[in-house]
Amino acid sequence: DQQVKQNSPSLSVQEGRISILNCDYTNSMFDYFLWYKKYPAEGPTFLISISSIKDKNEDGRFTVFLNKSAKHLSLHIVPSQPGDSAVYFCAARTGTSYGKLTFGQGTILTVHP
Amino acid sequence: EAQVTQNPRYLITVTGKKLTVTCSQNMNHEYMSWYRQDPGLGLRQIYYSMNVEVTDKGDVPEGYKVSRKEKRNFPLILESPSPNQTSLYFCASQAQGRDTQYFGPGTRLTVL
Repeated sequence: DQQVKQNSPSLSVQEGRISILNCDYTNSMFDYFLWYKKYPAEGPTFLISISSIKDKNEDGRFTVFLNKSAKHLSLHIVPSQPGDSAVYFCAARTGTSYGKLTFGQGTILTVHP
Repeated sequence: EAQVTQNPRYLITVTGKKLTVTCSQNMNHEYMSWYRQDPGLGLRQIYYSMNVEVTDKGDVPEGYKVSRKEKRNFPLILESPSPNQTSLYFCASQAQGRDTQYFGPGTRLTVL
């Protein structure tokens, strides 16, 4: 049972436009959410996170939105750049399980020049 | 340089031949984890450790063992590998009270 789902395997965007990556979760106990970015032949790297007490967190070109009632989060990248082309994973954890993360399947983002 | 290292980076083996993938971190992190990445399934946690001698199962622990005898090392052991354990494996570490996990470069394992 996939508790964190990224239903879009891939997304293609033009440079300068907005990229929106989506993530849904089923476990209502999740209260902290993270996005990781992964380039080929490298390990994932942390990008941005959000606590369930917030509905938005912004860091430069990256903004994460959380809709708790819909159990949905999204990552917005504005403006998109070719260097953003990577696999993006969303992940979630519950309040007491710092070490235990549940990841989604990942979305391959391609930003065309 | 703060990092998580894994060895080997690539490994081809045969069914049933015991193997160990090592993981080491130099950040004095309390938490360490092992994940496998498979197409269409994303990253799935195999085991994690909250400190020395404290380990717990993740979502897909079957067929794997771990140990945490020292804070910096967290080896993944496959006692009798099978072809369905062919995958890309990542080790990660995390400081207590912090949410960011730092990942190693990955180990691509093929079991024939």
